[in-house]
Formats: sequence, structure tokens, C-alpha cells
Amino acid sequence: AQSVTQLDSQVPVFEEAPVELRCNYSSSVSVYLFWYVQYPNQGLQLLLKYLSGSTLVKGINGFEAEFNKSQTSFHLRKPSVHISDTAEYFCAVWGQGGKLIFGQGTELSVKP
Amino acid sequence: NAGVTQTPKFQVLKTGQSMTLQCAQDMNHEYMSWYRQDPGMGLRLIHYSVGAGITDQGEVPNGYNVSRSTTEDFPLRLLSAAPSQTSVYFCASSYSYSQPATIYFGEGSWLTVV
Repeated sequence: AQSVTQLDSQVPVFEEAPVELRCNYSSSVSVYLFWYVQYPNQGLQLLLKYLSGSTLVKGINGFEAEFNKSQTSFHLRKPSVHISDTAEYFCAVWGQGGKLIFGQGTELSVKP
Repeated sequence: NAGVTQTPKFQVLKTGQSMTLQCAQDMNHEYMSWYRQDPGMGLRLIHYSVGAGITDQGEVPNGYNVSRSTTEDFPLRLLSAAPSQTSVYFCASSYSYSQPATIYFGEGSWLTVV
């Protein structure tokens, strides 16, 4: 069965610093990967997705992720974070039958 | 478009009570699902539906029931609430289940069972 592991449960970072949120997935023939963001007391919003093509995927709010097949990773990056980026971030893999399989989530806390 | 709409947003139940979480989408999506979110566990799939009249179990279906009488609606029923069902529930929908597509989420329903 496919699975996703987010390697950090919490990531504190200062404003304007770069950040990387790590995500590893279990290997499969075809892999479709997603990053979602959840702001406090809100639903999940799609940040970006990898379906095929370029391994560097750009998303909303200045985030990007790189699909690395050899390392089975899909890490999320932002070169300079803002206070407003404070949220929980979820990595997910698309499974058979349209199901999304989520990682445990990473809480990003941006401090002034 | 309202997207995916869930009601209620907050609910407190007593152990043993039953209730229904409502979910509606106006995007004509064939695929709908319910997830629960618990700290440190991400989101886990409860039930899903690939079209009207078709439902199936996800990872954590026990204690929940669903039906899909129309394309738009996908209610989740708690048959006899237990404290272990205290959680945040998300309804989601997508235009396809057979190929990868963006899944859209509702705003969530916070349920407390006392």
C-alpha cells in the first residue's frame, strides 16, 4: 500500500528565512503527489501538485516542490517565509480509486 | 460556485447520540469522500463515493454510515456517538476518481463527543 511520511512534525523558523518541509513517499509505478495547506480552523487548500512532466513544481504563495524519484521525496520549499505562512502543511499521494493518502502533517511556525 | 459546503461547523454530542454531518458540492463532481483529522495522524479516509448510489469504505469506517442519493449530497451519519469520534471532519470532492485530480475540501466540522 502507498504511504507518505512527513519527517518533521513541527518546523519553527524566523520571518524571511528559507524553509523546507520534508516528505517521503513509498515507491509505486505511477506517483501523483500533492501539498495542501491548512490555516487555523479552516479547510485544506491545494498548494501544488505533481502529476507528470517537470520535476520542479511551482505553487501558490511562492511555494515550490521538487519531485525526486530516486530518493522518493517531494520536499516543499519557500525561499523567504512570512508570518502569514504559519499553518499546517500536508503532503499526500493519490491512491487507487481517487483516494488521497496523507502524511501526518507539519506545523510551520513563523516567528518575527 | 460555493464549492464544498459542510454543516454544522461545530457540534457537541453526548455519548450514544446520533447525528448527521451534511455535505454538498455544486461542481458536479462524481467523487466525494469524508475524512477525519486527528492530531499527529493527518487525515484518514472514512467513506467515499464514486457516484450516486455507490459508496464504499475507507480506512476508518466503523461507527459511520453514508449514502449518496444525488450527485450533490453526501451526508455522514454517526450512529451512536463515542468519545473516540471526537475529531474534525472534512468532506471532499473531485471530478474524477479514475485519474489523478485535485480534491477540494470543505471548511470542516468540529465534533466533540462528551
